[in-house]
Amino acid sequence: QVTLRESGPALVRPTQTLTLTCSFSGFSLNTTGMSVSWIRQPPGKALEWLALFDWDGDEYYNTSLRARLTISKGTAKDQVVLTVTNIDPVDTGTYYCARGIFSGPIGWFDPWGQGTLVTVSS
Amino acid sequence: SYALTQPPSVSVAPGKTARVTCEENNIGSYSVHWYQQKPGQAPVLVIYSDSDRPSGIPERFSGSNSGSTATLTITRVEAGDEADYFCQVRDSSSDRWVFGGGTKLTVL
Repeated sequence: QVTLRESGPALVRPTQTLTLTCSFSGFSLNTTGMSVSWIRQPPGKALEWLALFDWDGDEYYNTSLRARLTISKGTAKDQVVLTVTNIDPVDTGTYYCARGIFSGPIGWFDPWGQGTLVTVSS
Repeated sequence: SYALTQPPSVSVAPGKTARVTCEENNIGSYSVHWYQQKPGQAPVLVIYSDSDRPSGIPERFSGSNSGSTATLTITRVEAGDEADYFCQVRDSSSDRWVFGGGTKLTVL
């Protein structure tokens, strides 16, 4: 059974750096075609893809947020970490991590973690 | 830039067929995936690669993709199908993953 769980602060002050951790089980990032992605959703709004880390160690980023995002493997086994610098109230929302599956040029997300709500406020 | 357009809302009576569309020029050349999100819950994959169903997803859910429109079809709609539905593609030319704006399905 594949599971993912997000962890991180619920409240962040503007201009600070947000660090989120995705802990997963049931699959390996060493397996071809596997990846972990971060996706966020402002309250009442659409999903927005942020970043992805794949089995080959490659990193992919939303180009509009690239300068503020870093995705990496965590220090513990089976973890992927996302950092978002210079956080702003517009970054408020639920942050999800999800397993990304590649099949050639195609990629989808399944399953997703339960999400963690991050509020940016002074 | 690549943008997927979905109608904000679709309404359907129980037992009828609902169709949720996702539009972009030449979307038929991409593989489209669909997610269902119920209030307060994480999204769940219901269709991948245009028309494949993950295990556990009812046969009432199906997908198609051609030209400039991809469609998620739900037959014999039930009250439990009321949710937001999002389409998604991977733009391999730019290595970006893109979501549509979402469609709220209301069961009357």
